[in-house]
Amino acid sequence: DGGITQSPKYLFRKEGQNVTLSCEQNLNHDAMYWYRQDPGQGLRLIYYSQIVNDFQKGDIAEGYSVSREKKESFPLTVTSAQKNPTAFYLCASSQGQGSNQPQHFGDGTRLSIL
Amino acid sequence: AQSVTQLGSHVSVSEGALVLLRCNYSSSVPPYLFWYVQYPNQGLQLLLKYTSAATLVKGINGFEAEFKKSETSFHLTKPSAHMSDAAEYFCAVSDEAGGFKTIFGAGTRLFVKA
Repeated sequence: DGGITQSPKYLFRKEGQNVTLSCEQNLNHDAMYWYRQDPGQGLRLIYYSQIVNDFQKGDIAEGYSVSREKKESFPLTVTSAQKNPTAFYLCASSQGQGSNQPQHFGDGTRLSIL
Repeated sequence: AQSVTQLGSHVSVSEGALVLLRCNYSSSVPPYLFWYVQYPNQGLQLLLKYTSAATLVKGINGFEAEFKKSETSFHLTKPSAHMSDAAEYFCAVSDEAGGFKTIFGAGTRLFVKA
C-alpha cells in the first residue's frame, strides 16, 4: 500500500544533541511538509518542499533544518538551537502543483527531552 | 491572508445524536476547504474536501459538510454519532494566493457518550 512512513515513533533528545526524524513516501507526490503539533495549537508548518533540492521555511523554522535530495524522502533535523523541541511531529505529502490537493499524513514521531 | 476558526475546542454528544463541528474561514480568493480527523497518536486522515464543485460535500464515515460563502462557514455534520467517532477534527483552508500552504484550525475534540 502507498503511504507515508515516519520513524522512529518515539524519540528522546539529550541536551545539546541534534536528532533527525525520518519521512519516506511512496505516493510519488511532489510536495512534502513538516508540521509540529502541540496540544490545543493545531498544526504549525515548519518547512515544506515543492520539488527535489528545493525547500522553504514555514512559520516556525528556527531551530530546524531539512533536506530534499530524493523525491521520496524529506528528513527533519531538530537542532540544539531548538530550545523547546518536545512535541508531536507530523510529515505530510501532496500531489501536483495546486493548493486544492489534500495532504496525506504519516503517523508521527513524538519527541521528548531526556 | 487565510485563517480558520474552529468554534469549541471540545464538543460532547451522546451516541446516536447529531454531530455538529463548526468551522469559519477567511480567504481573499475562492478557498479550498478540508476536514481531517485524527485518532490518538496517529496522523491526520482526510474526511472530505470542498474544491468549488457542489456546496454540500459528502465524506467518509457518514460525515458531510456544507460550504456557505455568505457565512464563510464549512461546518461538519453527522446525523448519528457513533462511539468510534470520538477523535480530534481539524478544519483547513488553502487558496491560490497562499500557494502550497494549508492553514489548519486549532482542532475540536469530539467526545461521544454511551
